[in-house]
Amino acid sequence: GAGVSQSPRYKVAKRGQDVALRCDPISGHVSLFWYQQALGQGPEFLTYFQNEAQLDKSGLPSDRFFAERPEGSVSTLKIQRTQQEDSAVYLCASSLANWVEVETQYFGPGTRLLVL
Amino acid sequence: ELKVEQNPLFLSMQEGKNYTIYCNYSTTSDRLYWYRQDPGKSLESLFVLLSNGAVKQEGRLMASLDTKARLSTLHITAAVHDLSATYFCAVDSVDSNYQLIWGAGTKLIIKP
Repeated sequence: GAGVSQSPRYKVAKRGQDVALRCDPISGHVSLFWYQQALGQGPEFLTYFQNEAQLDKSGLPSDRFFAERPEGSVSTLKIQRTQQEDSAVYLCASSLANWVEVETQYFGPGTRLLVL
Repeated sequence: ELKVEQNPLFLSMQEGKNYTIYCNYSTTSDRLYWYRQDPGKSLESLFVLLSNGAVKQEGRLMASLDTKARLSTLHITAAVHDLSATYFCAVDSVDSNYQLIWGAGTKLIIKP
């Protein structure tokens, strides 16, 4: 079956530009997660959705970062006024159950963002 | 604050050898995850370990969990080139609001 997909796969932005990153989770998955992965590092949690509700956004690094999942399926991570330190791979993951249950997260291929 | 440390961060080894990757974490947690990542690819789940003494095996990989020592190991037996990848461990707990906290990864290169 189809896995988690993300688009675009690569994005080059000029400093100050706004970007929008899309995630299509596995159909029927309740939970959706966004992570930021810097080169040579493990992923860092950004935000979590249970259906359309954003239950945890404690990892968003600044108010320039905004995520939504209005219909409980597709999610968009938006970064306003991009800065060079935003350059990273942005990973989306989904899982069938809610986050307090033990559940494997299925990851998309990521969007590699480069801010010049 | 929940922290996760992996070692080594880089490992180069010959095919046929055995080796172990270590994952230490800083606070109480009973849920530990191992993932594999190939260059430019997505993260793939390998194991989920839920209790003290848990051991899981898949092919040449075996993972174990010691919650008292706050330590998990990923053991590679008779390594083959196809196992070359970066391996991550991750932990969640009430301290992290059940969000995954990840180690920095162990980049494993297996030479034929």
